Amino acid sequence: AQRVTQPEKLLSVFKGAPVELKCNYSYSGSPELFWYVQYSRQRLQLLLRHISRESIKGFTADLNKGETSFHLKKPFAQEEDSAMYYCALKVDDKIIFGKGTRLHILP
Amino acid sequence: ETGVTQSPTHLIKTRGQQVTLRCSSQSGHNTVSWYQQALGQGPQFIFQYYREEENGRGNFPPRFSGLQFPNYSSELNVNALELDDSALYLCASSSVPGVAFFGQGTRLTVV
Repeated sequence: AQRVTQPEKLLSVFKGAPVELKCNYSYSGSPELFWYVQYSRQRLQLLLRHISRESIKGFTADLNKGETSFHLKKPFAQEEDSAMYYCALKVDDKIIFGKGTRLHILP
Repeated sequence: ETGVTQSPTHLIKTRGQQVTLRCSSQSGHNTVSWYQQALGQGPQFIFQYYREEENGRGNFPPRFSGLQFPNYSSELNVNALELDDSALYLCASSSVPGVAFFGQGTRLTVV
């Protein structure tokens, strides 16, 4: 069955420290993965997608098919990174979301 | 260009009643999808419409139904409401598969 797992409900990181939000997926086909973010009092929005291989707001994510992972990383956390982050997998015409990780940046 | 808008923002219904939630897609988007987000969970896919036809459905019973109109706006209908239907309902529109633009959601409470 297709599944997205985000093992951490909450991740607290000091400002300036590196951030890694974990995401593992289960899918027999060729995966297409995304990270979505929801800042406080804002709507859910796309942060990045793996096929674009881009860096958005300093975040990057690399697809590792061997480990079936798509972890989100940023070398130096900023206070404005505090938000809810969802990893998502596209399967046919639907998107399967993980349960999300709340990232809390400590001053 | 306008974003995705949903109405109403909040709604309280009684168990057994029926509810209709509405969504206006972002300009130029011909695909709309609906999600249910329970407290502490990620959004769960309900179904998707492309050019007025349902073209994908998640693991939800038939009492969850939808429509997409020629202007690509959409409705989600839920019949015979149950207490467990209480959740945030999100609508998203897209023109590129997987790249979804979300509305602010409708908070449904079933009592």
